[in-house]
Amino acid sequence: GESVGLHLPTLSVQEGDNSIINCAYSNSASDYFIWYKQESGKGPQFIIDIRSNMDKRQGQRVTVLLNKTVKHLSLQIAATQPGDSAVYFCAENEEAAGNKLTFGGGTRVLVKP
Amino acid sequence: GAVVSQHPSRVICKSGTSVKIECRSLDFQATTMFWYRQFPKKSLMLMATSNEGSKATYEQGVEKDKFLINHASLTLSTLTVTSAHPEDSSFYICSASGGAKETQYFGPGTRLLVL
Repeated sequence: GESVGLHLPTLSVQEGDNSIINCAYSNSASDYFIWYKQESGKGPQFIIDIRSNMDKRQGQRVTVLLNKTVKHLSLQIAATQPGDSAVYFCAENEEAAGNKLTFGGGTRVLVKP
Repeated sequence: GAVVSQHPSRVICKSGTSVKIECRSLDFQATTMFWYRQFPKKSLMLMATSNEGSKATYEQGVEKDKFLINHASLTLSTLTVTSAHPEDSSFYICSASGGAKETQYFGPGTRLLVL
């Protein structure tokens, strides 16, 4: 079936550097994508979202890029901080399926001091 | 804004007993709530979707008689794990949405351990 996946399971980054987390999706009908951050023992925290009529959206220190041609989504974190260490999930929203989210496998980001 | 709470945060129960988990949207009305299950180092798997005042829609492979979901108001949904067994031990997370095309906001999760 359709799925959302990630290329890198673990990303180690030096504090202060930029992080890039990638996500591939296969459902060309998806029109809403979200990035979540999950710290150990906690629920996912909304970071940023993007709809399919856009290819870039910026937030505070984060940028999401959407390439519909190759079905690729990325999250860029600028000046990565120790507090950014967590697991990051991309999720795909299937409005035709009742607004359900399909989550990717997750990428762990480890920030080295 | 968009705060979702869960209670309890952690529960340990004996095999064969039932456990109820509450999910509340604190500052918005959630027309739709979702229940997920997450095993260690794994992603979130959707269990069911519930709309206020109607029966929940369960994902394939999720037993509706074992995981009872009630969404009686726009701010509260409950998940009851009936006759819990050790294999039901997991991290249960709810999310709430104000409606179609609305972002899902997640609760902090409930860790269930069945002995």
